[in-house]
Amino acid sequence: EAGVVQSPRYKIIEKKQPVAFWCNPISGHNTLYWYLQNLGQGPELLIRYENEEAVDDSQLPKDRFSAERLKGVDSTLKIQPAELGDSAVYLCASSLSRGGRTDTQYFGPGTRLTVL
Amino acid sequence: AQKITQTQPGMFVQEKEAVTLDCTYDTSDQSYGLFWYKQPSSGEMIFLIYQGSYDEQNATEGRYSLNFQKARKSANLVISASQLGDSAMYFCAMREGATDSWGKLQFGAGTQVVVTP
Repeated sequence: EAGVVQSPRYKIIEKKQPVAFWCNPISGHNTLYWYLQNLGQGPELLIRYENEEAVDDSQLPKDRFSAERLKGVDSTLKIQPAELGDSAVYLCASSLSRGGRTDTQYFGPGTRLTVL
Repeated sequence: AQKITQTQPGMFVQEKEAVTLDCTYDTSDQSYGLFWYKQPSSGEMIFLIYQGSYDEQNATEGRYSLNFQKARKSANLVISASQLGDSAMYFCAMREGATDSWGKLQFGAGTQVVVTP
């Protein structure tokens, strides 16, 4: 079974430029998550989707960040414009979300963003 | 307030030895789930083991076991017979609430494990 796929793996941009990250979850997983991981820290949730609905985006900086999950499968996270402090790893995860062990989140390899 | 506390920033362990990684958590929910993930230098978060708050037995997955002490709010990970490939960052995480609809996964700061020959 294929895991969570993310692209690109690495991205280097200059500040004020836009950037987008793509995620394809595990087949059949209804819930998709975007996390931000700063160096030396654990991941922090940015947004969670149940199918195509964003059910928790309280941690998403909406002035510059946006996300979408069209058709309830793939998702795109966008930053516009990027700032130096956005340099981090952006992780995508998915889960079946039926409670208990089945709500285990499986992560993709992440996108390492460097803003110069 | 910190929900997940991992007090060991880093640990060295010799190959074939066992290692225990500490994790304490803070919640007022009766229903919650505890997870351990491994993050090697490649960056991917790899799920290791899950413990539900109502599970009476400690979870085990191969060389990984979870020492769950509910009254102490402790969920330590034990890795037996360490291998060089176990060198990685290890994160403890908690999901609060009875269903996925209620809670997000909250991570600790992690413990860096280095396995030496």
